[in-house]
Amino acid sequence: DGGITQSPKYLFRKEGQNVTLSCEQNLNHDAMYWYRQDPGQGLRLIYYSQIVNDFQKGDIAEGYSVSREKKESFPLTVTSAQKNPTAFYLCASSPAGLGGDEQFFGPGTRLTVL
Amino acid sequence: QQQVKQSPQSLIVQKGGISIINCAYENTAFDYFPWYQQFPGKGPALLIAIRPDVSEKKEGRFTISFNKSAKQFSLHIMDSQPGDSATYFCAASMTGGFKTIFGAGTRLFVKA
Repeated sequence: DGGITQSPKYLFRKEGQNVTLSCEQNLNHDAMYWYRQDPGQGLRLIYYSQIVNDFQKGDIAEGYSVSREKKESFPLTVTSAQKNPTAFYLCASSPAGLGGDEQFFGPGTRLTVL
Repeated sequence: QQQVKQSPQSLIVQKGGISIINCAYENTAFDYFPWYQQFPGKGPALLIAIRPDVSEKKEGRFTISFNKSAKQFSLHIMDSQPGDSATYFCAASMTGGFKTIFGAGTRLFVKA
């Protein structure tokens, strides 16, 4: 079964902690993305990567970091510098990341700061 | 210029009725306009998409109407069903542009 997996489904963080959200895809897609979704808002782009070992900041990258050491993996770290991290986080991938492509989304991780 | 404006924010439709969601964009370089459907607690999934060389695309009960001169496109759901209750996002991207711009979403509720 091809697709995108995200883990964990739910994550609780204490203030001041860094947490890492996992995203894995077996679709052999070159491009991967991280979005943040808040109630009543659209999807806001955090980071994206078109190839291994390369990634670009999206619209709201402050307080987040990523790595792309393998084609199939694109983990997101929410650092303590992110002041309002409670949100639903979505990982996505697309074949080439050149626009005009369908994006395939994972099931999401809901992060709550305690 | 990079925005996609979506309306309405929420929509309640009777079962069997027509649901209509509208989007407007500014950047004429956009050449791919998808609609995504998202159920609560799940990731969005592509529902239907259109490119600007056609004015309408239909897949089952779902139709996209595209007006290039007005820079607007809309999603029509015919014979709306309770199972269609979800959040719908319009989006736009351009070939070679790397990013997809999403609308704010429309929460649709179909009453049985």
